[in-house]
Amino acid sequence: EAQVTQNPRYLITVTGKKLTVTCSQNMNHEYMSWYRQDPGLGLRQIYYSMNVEVTDKGDVPEGYKVSRKEKRNFPLILESPSPNQTSLYFCASSSVAARDNEQFFGPGTRLTVL
Amino acid sequence: QKEVEQDPGPLSVPEGAIVSLNCTYSNSAFQYFMWYRQYSRKGPELLMYTYSSGNKEDGRFTAQVDKSSKYISLFIRDSQPSDSATYLCAMSANSGGYQKVTFGIGTKLQVIP
Repeated sequence: EAQVTQNPRYLITVTGKKLTVTCSQNMNHEYMSWYRQDPGLGLRQIYYSMNVEVTDKGDVPEGYKVSRKEKRNFPLILESPSPNQTSLYFCASSSVAARDNEQFFGPGTRLTVL
Repeated sequence: QKEVEQDPGPLSVPEGAIVSLNCTYSNSAFQYFMWYRQYSRKGPELLMYTYSSGNKEDGRFTAQVDKSSKYISLFIRDSQPSDSATYLCAMSANSGGYQKVTFGIGTKLQVIP
């Protein structure tokens, strides 16, 4: 089954404790992206990657890091989480050849930073 | 002003009603318009995709784009309880899976049996 998986699905942590949210896709997509979704603000792009070893900032990159060492994986790293990073996070992937701009989203990771 | 404006609702309708969901936008470069559906505790899924102005129909769903007014709509006919979800409009200036997509905040729809 074609899918994007994220782990963990739920995470409660404390300020300053480094964490990584994993993302993996099995569709051989070149493009991968991280979003956060907040009430009243919608989906905002954090970082994206056009292919292996190619990453770039989205609209709200502060406080986040990413890496793309393999095509299928795109982990999101919070080196020193703060309460304002409490949010619902989505990983997405798409084929650069897709004519319909369709992005395939993972199930989401709900992060709470205390 | 946000590039894409969408009323968050919630919108509550009886089963069988016609639902109209709308977005306005300010960026005249947008040419590709999408509607995503997001069920509770799930990621968004692409529902409809249209290019430029005009209508596109898929079963009970019709997407409408009016570029002159910078206004897009999604109509749901004979709404069902299974249509209860949040609907996000999304827009892009170019086609291709790598293009930046700007999303609305989503409208929460509840269809009452």
